[in-house]
Amino acid sequence: AQTVTQSQPEMSVQEAETVTLSCTYDTSESDYYLFWYKQPPSRQMILVIRQEAYKQQNATENRFSVNFQKAAKSFSLKISDSQLGDAAMYFCAATQGGSEKLVFGKGTKLTVNP
Amino acid sequence: DAMVIQNPRYQVTQFGKPVTLSCSQTLNHNVMYWYQQKSSQAPKLLFHYYDKDFNNEADTPDNFQSRRPNTSFCFLDIRSPGLGDAAMYLCATSVQVPPSVLDTQYFGPGTRLTVL
Repeated sequence: AQTVTQSQPEMSVQEAETVTLSCTYDTSESDYYLFWYKQPPSRQMILVIRQEAYKQQNATENRFSVNFQKAAKSFSLKISDSQLGDAAMYFCAATQGGSEKLVFGKGTKLTVNP
Repeated sequence: DAMVIQNPRYQVTQFGKPVTLSCSQTLNHNVMYWYQQKSSQAPKLLFHYYDKDFNNEADTPDNFQSRRPNTSFCFLDIRSPGLGDAAMYLCATSVQVPPSVLDTQYFGPGTRLTVL
């Protein structure tokens, strides 16, 4: 079965610093999507960034970027110039081959210290 | 703005009293999902509709049912809520047009269910 692993249950970063959240996945598919979702406390889960597996270029959205290493099946999220509003639970997810379902990692809780 | 709407945002029910949660979307997406999320855990898929086709997860209890009367609306029915069913329930939508791979899921704000 496809799996997504987030090895860091919790991370912390100082405001304005950079932090990287790790994610590895296991799939036998050749075409798939990878996602990072953000869920602030008691708030809505929103998409941060997505990566299409067939694209070699790493996706970037403002202060958020990914390091996508397809051969290593690694998909880390880098947050630059961290802000207090970045504090949230971050979930890595991958499309599950041949279906319309996502596989989620267990999440990383990010704390941003002022 | 196109969005996924869930009502109510907070629901309190009594042990064993049926409850229905609703989800609507203005995205015209053909796939709708229901997830259960407990504190500090990843969302757990209960079931989803691909168009009108219902797809139940193998470990979803029979206590949980769903209806999708049209493209825009989807309901989650909990027939006899137990204390263990207290959780956040998330609705999500996506569009899938084969042979394309599934794209992004968009989540609603969730309904927090309390069981007394």
